[in-house]
Amino acid sequence: EPEVTQTPSHQVTQMGQEVILRCVPISNHLYFYWYRQILGQKVEFLVSFYNNEISEKSEIFDDQFSVERPDGSNFTLKIRSTKLEDSAMYFCASSGGGRKTDTQYFGPGTRLTVL
Amino acid sequence: AQSVTQPDIHITVSEGASLELRCNYSYGATPYLFWYVQSPGQGLQLLLKYFSGDTLVQGIKGFEAEFKRSQSSFNLRKPSVHWSDAAEYFCAVASSNFGNEKLTFGTGTRLTIIP
Repeated sequence: EPEVTQTPSHQVTQMGQEVILRCVPISNHLYFYWYRQILGQKVEFLVSFYNNEISEKSEIFDDQFSVERPDGSNFTLKIRSTKLEDSAMYFCASSGGGRKTDTQYFGPGTRLTVL
Repeated sequence: AQSVTQPDIHITVSEGASLELRCNYSYGATPYLFWYVQSPGQGLQLLLKYFSGDTLVQGIKGFEAEFKRSQSSFNLRKPSVHWSDAAEYFCAVASSNFGNEKLTFGTGTRLTIIP
C-alpha cells in the first residue's frame, strides 16, 4: 500500500540554525500539507500546497517557514532560523484531491528538537 | 471558527471490554468528521470518516462512530478492545477557507489496555 514517508525521523539542531524536513507524498497525489504537534498539545495545521503554490497557511506559518516541491517526488518544509518553540513533531500529509471528502494520508513524522 | 474537543485525555480499558471515546465539534456548516489513530512511532492512520448519509459509520479494525448533530458529537466506539488498540486517538473536522481542506484536530485521547 502506498504511504507517505518522511526523513529524518529525528532532527536535533541548535537554535538559529536552518533545518529542512523532507517528505515523499504518495505518488499520484496532488495536495500536500504540513502539520505539527508540540509535545502534549494538539496536531495543528501549518500549510497546504497545490500546483506549486501555497493554498492556505496558518498564523503559525510565518516568514521563517517555507515549503517547496523541488522535484516530482519530494515536498520540503524549511525553517530558516529555528527557535526553541519550534521543537515539535512535524507531520507531512498528502491527498489525491483538495476536497473535504479526500482523505489525507499522513507520514510517520519528524521529531524536531531545538537546543 | 471550527474546533474539536476530546474531553478525555487518557482512558484505561480492560482487554475485551467495550470502548467509547468522546468527540465534540464546533463548526458552522455541515461538518466533515474524521477519527485518526496514532500508534507509537507511527503516523496518523485514518480509522473512519463521516460526510453525509447514515449517521453510523463503520471503519477499520472494528471501530464505528456515530454522528449526532443535536449533540455536536462524533463518538468512537468498539465493542471489544484488543491489546493492539492501545494508541492515541484523534478526532478531526475538515474545514476550508479557500477550497483546499485542512484538518482541525482535537487534543487526542490516549488509550491504555490492561490485561
